[in-house]
Amino acid sequence: DAKTTQPNSMESNEEEPVHLPCNHSTISGTDYIHWYRQLPSQGPEYVIHGLTSNVNNRMASLAIAEDRKSSTLILHRATLRDAAVYYCILRDGMEYGNKLVFGAGTILRVKS
Amino acid sequence: NAGVTQTPKFQVLKTGQSMTLQCAQDMNHEYMSWYRQDPGMGLRLIHYSVGAGITDQGEVPNGYNVSRSTTEDFPLRLLSAAPSQTSVYFCASRMGQFRAWSGYTFGSGTRLTVV
Repeated sequence: DAKTTQPNSMESNEEEPVHLPCNHSTISGTDYIHWYRQLPSQGPEYVIHGLTSNVNNRMASLAIAEDRKSSTLILHRATLRDAAVYYCILRDGMEYGNKLVFGAGTILRVKS
Repeated sequence: NAGVTQTPKFQVLKTGQSMTLQCAQDMNHEYMSWYRQDPGMGLRLIHYSVGAGITDQGEVPNGYNVSRSTTEDFPLRLLSAAPSQTSVYFCASRMGQFRAWSGYTFGSGTRLTVV
């Protein structure tokens, strides 16, 4: 499985934008970039995914580097509810089952 | 829609006992999977299924059995519980056997303690 590298933790102020980075220098052409988050005492929650182009949805934006070796999850205005562990995961579209394999993720702390 | 429903939410077992963790989804998702999450660690894949009648092992399958007789249900069986199986268990499902772009829906988890 292609690997991702994320900072262990980040801190943000409430109402400010947050940029969560992810490095995936060994990404293949068939890998999709997925982001999930896990709030305390809950199951993971799908946030967003992309392949080559930047993506927006109601939760966040995903900016993908032109060479696809890195990406950034953008929360436009952090709230206390956004405090969670954020996982950047690659899923191979050519792999049987294209499993979701979790790493350690980034712990996001939001200060009021 | 209920999404992914896991039962029970909490369970205490004695070493050597067996039990089944239930997982049901009402979204007609082909793919279902089980994860465990130990304190301070990420989720690890136990078993997965790409459709009814098809199951495969994940990263940590030892001590667990699964079957998939219907699209909706994917139970996880602990054959002989051990303290090392104390963990939080999550069931997840998604559309499509081979759609790498489809998002997963997770259940709220079962917290299992083996004494």
